[in-house]
Amino acid sequence: QVQLVQSGAGVWRPGASVKVSCKASGYSFTTYGITWVRQAPGQGLEWMGSISANNGNTNYAQKFQGRITMTTDTSTRTAYMELRSLRSDDTAVYYCARGDDFWNGYDTLDYWGQGTLVTVSS
Amino acid sequence: QAVVTQEPSLTVSPGGTVTLTCGSSTGAVISDHYPYWFQKKPDQAPRTLIFDTYNRHPWTPARFSGSLLGGKAALTLSGAQPEDEADYYCLLSYSGSVVFGGGTKLTVL
Repeated sequence: QVQLVQSGAGVWRPGASVKVSCKASGYSFTTYGITWVRQAPGQGLEWMGSISANNGNTNYAQKFQGRITMTTDTSTRTAYMELRSLRSDDTAVYYCARGDDFWNGYDTLDYWGQGTLVTVSS
Repeated sequence: QAVVTQEPSLTVSPGGTVTLTCGSSTGAVISDHYPYWFQKKPDQAPRTLIFDTYNRHPWTPARFSGSLLGGKAALTLSGAQPEDEADYYCLLSYSGSVVFGGGTKLTVL
C-alpha cells in the first residue's frame, strides 16, 4: 500500500533551518511528484510548493521563494523540504502528499504523510 | 495571488443536506480550475475527497459529491453523518500555482 512517512517533530530556533523528510513506499517513486502543505495552529491549509520526482523540477509558492528548497533522493525514495530563516509564524504542521500535477485533472494529493510539527521558539 | 473563499462555518442536521462553496477572486470557477476538496479532522492528515470538480476517490463516501454551481465549485453532502463533522478545504489551480480556500468548519448537530 502507498505510504508516506515523515520525520519527527522538533523545536528550532528563530533564524535556523529545518529539513523535513518524507519517505515513500508502495508505488513507483519517480512516477509521481511530491507536494508540501502546511497548517499553522488555528489556521488553514497552505500550499508551499511541489517537486517532480522524475526530473527534480520545482514549483514554489511565491511566498516562500528564496527561503525554501525541495529535493528528492530517488535511491532512498525520499523527498525533502528545507525551510530557512525560520520565524515564529513558521510554527506549523508540515505535510507531504503524493503528486505535483494540478492542471490535468489528476488525482493529485491522493496520499498524505502523517505530518511533522515544526515549532519555532527561542 | 488569487484569493479563494469559503463559508467560515456551516451547520447541518444529522441526515440532512448541505452545500459548501468555493469561490475565486479572479471570477467564476470553471472546470479548468480543477477543483479539489479535502476533509481535515483534528490531529489527522487531510483526506482528499474530490478531485477535478466531481471525481471521487475509492474511499470517498457516496454521500459527498462535487459540482460547479453558480460560478463556484461546490461540495454537497447528502445524508450527513456525525463523523462528517470536520473542516473542509477546497483547492483551485491557477497558472503556475494552486491556492487553498480558508476552509469551512462543518458542524453536524
